[in-house]
Amino acid sequence: TQLLEQSPQFLSIQEGENLTVYCNSSSVFSSLQWYRQEPGEGPVLLVTVVTGGEVKKLKRLTFQFGDARKDSSLHITAAQPGDTGLYLCAGASYNFNKFYFGSGTKLNVKP
Amino acid sequence: DAGVIQSPRHEVTEMGQEVTLRCKPISGHNSLFWYRQTMMRGLELLIYFNNNVPIDDSGMPEDRFSAKMPNASFSTLKIQPSEPRDSAVYFCASSQDRGRTGELFFGEGSRLTVL
Repeated sequence: TQLLEQSPQFLSIQEGENLTVYCNSSSVFSSLQWYRQEPGEGPVLLVTVVTGGEVKKLKRLTFQFGDARKDSSLHITAAQPGDTGLYLCAGASYNFNKFYFGSGTKLNVKP
Repeated sequence: DAGVIQSPRHEVTEMGQEVTLRCKPISGHNSLFWYRQTMMRGLELLIYFNNNVPIDDSGMPEDRFSAKMPNASFSTLKIQPSEPRDSAVYFCASSQDRGRTGELFFGEGSRLTVL
């Protein structure tokens, strides 16, 4: 059983479309991170959200941390083929010594 | 600066053989994590070290798995004897204790295939 559930698991869209990926848990986290992983490489951090209700923007990516710090969403506007990859959310324990990863969302953006 | 360095990148071995995976964390980072990634189970935390001391090894599958961190710049994950179900990509990651961001820096992974 995953501590963090992501949905959808797979997403295949056309370039220019918008999409939202969800990360949900029944547990409270001190912070939540989003990583992107490309084939043959390790995950790379995109953003960290710390405060309940926090919204962060990274160009066409918008990240939100739920008010109760149990869930998060990632919204991509006008997706591009370069956005293709595996998106992982990770919740940090209160002492930041353990990071629990979600099941991942595999995104494919077709040109 | 070099990132987290893992070796080997690929390993193919036969069931019953010993496998040793190596990791050099980023200099100055005092936390080191070993993860295993498979299609079925995603990214699972196996063990993590803080200041070279194993803090939590509850994710280690069984006694066949062991990990060491003899100094701040080197860690190993050993599987003995290996089994086909151990086939996965093993990632090492490091982070700094300070601050609230807790960013993990991952290596490129070691892809293990046990025949």
